[in-house]
Amino acid sequence: DAGVIQSPRHEVTEMGQEVTLRCKPISGHDYLFWYRQTMMRGLELLIYFNNNVPIDDSGMPEDRFSAKMPNASFSTLKIQPSEPRDSAVYFCASRPQRENTEAFFGQGTRLTVV
Amino acid sequence: AQSVAQPEDQVNVAEGNPLTVKCTYSVSGNPYLFWYVQYPNRGLQFLLKYITGDNLVKGSYGFEAEFNKSQTSFHLKKPSALVSDSALYFCAVSHRSGGYQKVTFGTGTKLQVIP
Repeated sequence: DAGVIQSPRHEVTEMGQEVTLRCKPISGHDYLFWYRQTMMRGLELLIYFNNNVPIDDSGMPEDRFSAKMPNASFSTLKIQPSEPRDSAVYFCASRPQRENTEAFFGQGTRLTVV
Repeated sequence: AQSVAQPEDQVNVAEGNPLTVKCTYSVSGNPYLFWYVQYPNRGLQFLLKYITGDNLVKGSYGFEAEFNKSQTSFHLKKPSALVSDSALYFCAVSHRSGGYQKVTFGTGTKLQVIP
């Protein structure tokens, strides 16, 4: 398996534009997580899914953020409209159902909103 | 509330010296504890985990961690630091939340190994 795949690796967009980040989890993994990492706030959990169902989205900062998982092999995180303070590295991670297993992270998407 | 704390933002150690990166946790029940490492411009990579059994856990790249239930700690250690160990280290605890398994990460500790 190629691991968790995120695209794009880098995204530069203008304030007010819609941004969509994509994630392909490892095949067979039941959990999918979206994290945001900044210098100021560290690593924040935004939302996670179990078997494609959103379980906890309490970390999503505002209504401008939304996430979907239409099937077991694909998830998106959308920001509409984007703002400069959304600039961060966004990570996707997946893990199997067993509760003592580790998560596998993607390489991240570095988002810059100008 | 379930939580994990990394009290040091940064740890500096000379190459060849032993290193310790501290982690304490607060969780009800039996915890599953993890250490991850993040190199610049990369995602987090799994290093090691404690599930049950032997309190000393060995992981990748010569790292080990000691689970101490009485002190609720899970410190990361290595007998002899390498410059290439310089990175950001995260402690994490996996716990049940609303019937699902949730992972909470610490704030991270930057390890700087000085040649």
